[in-house]
Amino acid sequence: GQNIDQPTEMTATEGAIVQINCTYQTSGFNGLFWYQQHAGEAPTFLSYNVLDGLEEKGRFSSFLSRSKGYSYLLLKELQMKDSASYLCAVRIGAGANNLFFGTGTRLTVIP
Amino acid sequence: KAGVTQTPRYLIKTRGQQVTLSCSPISGHRSVSWYQQTPGQGLQFLFEYFSETQRNKGNFPGRFSGRQFSNSRSEMNVSTLELGDSALYLCASSLVPSGSTDTQYFGPGTRLTVL
Repeated sequence: GQNIDQPTEMTATEGAIVQINCTYQTSGFNGLFWYQQHAGEAPTFLSYNVLDGLEEKGRFSSFLSRSKGYSYLLLKELQMKDSASYLCAVRIGAGANNLFFGTGTRLTVIP
Repeated sequence: KAGVTQTPRYLIKTRGQQVTLSCSPISGHRSVSWYQQTPGQGLQFLFEYFSETQRNKGNFPGRFSGRQFSNSRSEMNVSTLELGDSALYLCASSLVPSGSTDTQYFGPGTRLTVL
């Protein structure tokens, strides 16, 4: 079966750095995605990793280790608007476009 | 370029009824996937369509079905509604299925409430 684990909730201070971890056990790994979802809104794409290493995109970075089944999302210079759920998702199988999602990490940024 | 659109945004139905939800992908996108989101289960994959063909299907009962039209617009249908079908139904489109860097973009969802 497929399994993705993320912390349920995290709290961090405005201006700080936070790391959200994701571990997965899936078959047919074909890339890992991070999405941000504000309450009542659709998920929006943040980052994609298919090879090991760090992908940096402004204040957001994502890391992948395929051998360890591990990824993290790093958010720097936290802003209040970063309060949202962060979803880790693995694309399953070659030639497939279905994403298997974790249950998400609800991040609260406090002043 | 317009994003993914879904209609209707909100629906209230009663048990036993059926419902049809619609999704228009981003212009030029040919792959459409459907997901169900509930507080307890999170986001779960329903099915994916490309070139009017269902390519993948998640672990949902046969009451959940879908189709895709030649203009890439997609519909999903849920028959014999149950209380547990209350959820946010999200549609996501991508340019092609599973390109090496392809990304799915989500619509705003349809909030279905079954009474």
